[in-house]
Amino acid sequence: QPVLTQSSSASASLGSSVSLTCTLNSGHSSFIIAWHQQQPGKAPRYLMKIEHSGTYYRGGGVPDRFSGSSSGSDRHLTISNLQSDDEADYYCETWDGNTWVFGGGTKLTVL
Amino acid sequence: EVQLVQSGGGLVEPGGSLRLSCTASGLSFSGAWMNWVRQSPGKGLEWVGRIKAKVNGGSTDYAAPVRGRFIISRDDSKNTLFLQMNSLRAEDTAVYYCSTAHLSPSDPDSWGQGTLVTVSS
Repeated sequence: QPVLTQSSSASASLGSSVSLTCTLNSGHSSFIIAWHQQQPGKAPRYLMKIEHSGTYYRGGGVPDRFSGSSSGSDRHLTISNLQSDDEADYYCETWDGNTWVFGGGTKLTVL
Repeated sequence: EVQLVQSGGGLVEPGGSLRLSCTASGLSFSGAWMNWVRQSPGKGLEWVGRIKAKVNGGSTDYAAPVRGRFIISRDDSKNTLFLQMNSLRAEDTAVYYCSTAHLSPSDPDSWGQGTLVTVSS
């Protein structure tokens, strides 16, 4: 079964860039992952899916400040030109068709 | 635009039952795989279970903590997904979300607005 690991927190300054990482466990490095944003008190919002190749597919309405990349078992979400409303929890997700798994989430603070 | 509108939820005593609904618009619901996901207070997202499209067999899979107690079903004629929750426990207290479960990377997923279930006497 896939397992996803995320750092619990990250911070960056307004207007800067930050990269959040989601790591797949051994034997699952080829898996597609999805990133979701959850602002305080709100439902999650789908951001994008990232393939092992690094190809990513942003959801409709997601600003192009949000981009994705891949390196081995790591899937990265990069947010550029940070805005105050980017302060949120970010979750990665993957699946094997029978079960779905979420990472523990990264709390992003915009300084 | 895909919309998933949830209903149901509320306060229920331990051992009781509750049914949640999730009505979809803006997508070909009958062909969509669907998930239920929950979030306990102050915690992260937890997958509850999935139902395949009927064209793929319509089968369900569940996370271990709810297997044997929760049942996911769908009514494609009404574009509606259901979560029947039985033998509820205090640890089932959470906000429950429905979401699409598209396997293809090029298909974006969508989330419902969430509904709170509180299990307490």
